[in-house]
Amino acid sequence: AQSVTQLGSHVSVSEGALVLLRCNYSSSVPPYLFWYVQYPNQGLQLLLKYTSAATLVKGINGFEAEFKKSETSFHLTKPSAHMSDAAEYFCAVSGTNTGNQFYFGTGTSLTVIP
Amino acid sequence: DSGVTQTPKHLITATGQRVTLRCSPRSGDLSVYWYQQSLDQGLQFLIQYYNGEERAKGNILERFSAQQFPDLHSELNLSSLELGDSALYFCASSIGTAHNQPQHFGDGTRLSIL
Repeated sequence: AQSVTQLGSHVSVSEGALVLLRCNYSSSVPPYLFWYVQYPNQGLQLLLKYTSAATLVKGINGFEAEFKKSETSFHLTKPSAHMSDAAEYFCAVSGTNTGNQFYFGTGTSLTVIP
Repeated sequence: DSGVTQTPKHLITATGQRVTLRCSPRSGDLSVYWYQQSLDQGLQFLIQYYNGEERAKGNILERFSAQQFPDLHSELNLSSLELGDSALYFCASSIGTAHNQPQHFGDGTRLSIL
């Protein structure tokens, strides 16, 4: 079965500091992984996706993630945090059964301190 | 703007009642997914439809049902509502059923049961 675990339900960084949000996956087959961001009172917006083409994936708003099979991880990073990055971030893995529904992590709330 | 439209944005009703949530997918998308987001359960997959047919079922209660119409819009019906059904309900859509396809989310319907 597919699942993802997000370590750290709350992360605080200073403006301009490195952002690192952790995601580990569990999958019986090579996974397809996604990061989404949710701003207050809004839906989920796709940040980036890993679909086996390249292990380092670049997304929108300066975010990137690296797929590491040996560590079963897909951590999200951004070199320099901006106030507008404050939001909830979700890691997701695609199912491998008939349906391609997503299995989401519990989310990480990012706070950016000015 | 994801292109996925959900109505209504807010719904307040009482226990025992029945409501219908509506979703219009992105133009060209054939798959529609319904997710429930609550504080205690996180983001949970409910059900998926592809081109009018049920494709996959997740943690959907028997009191809940859904369908996808020939114009590809979808409706989620929730009946005999209980306090615990209060949540944010998201609709998402994707082009098809391939596991590497991202899903695009609407802004959700916030359901409050009084």
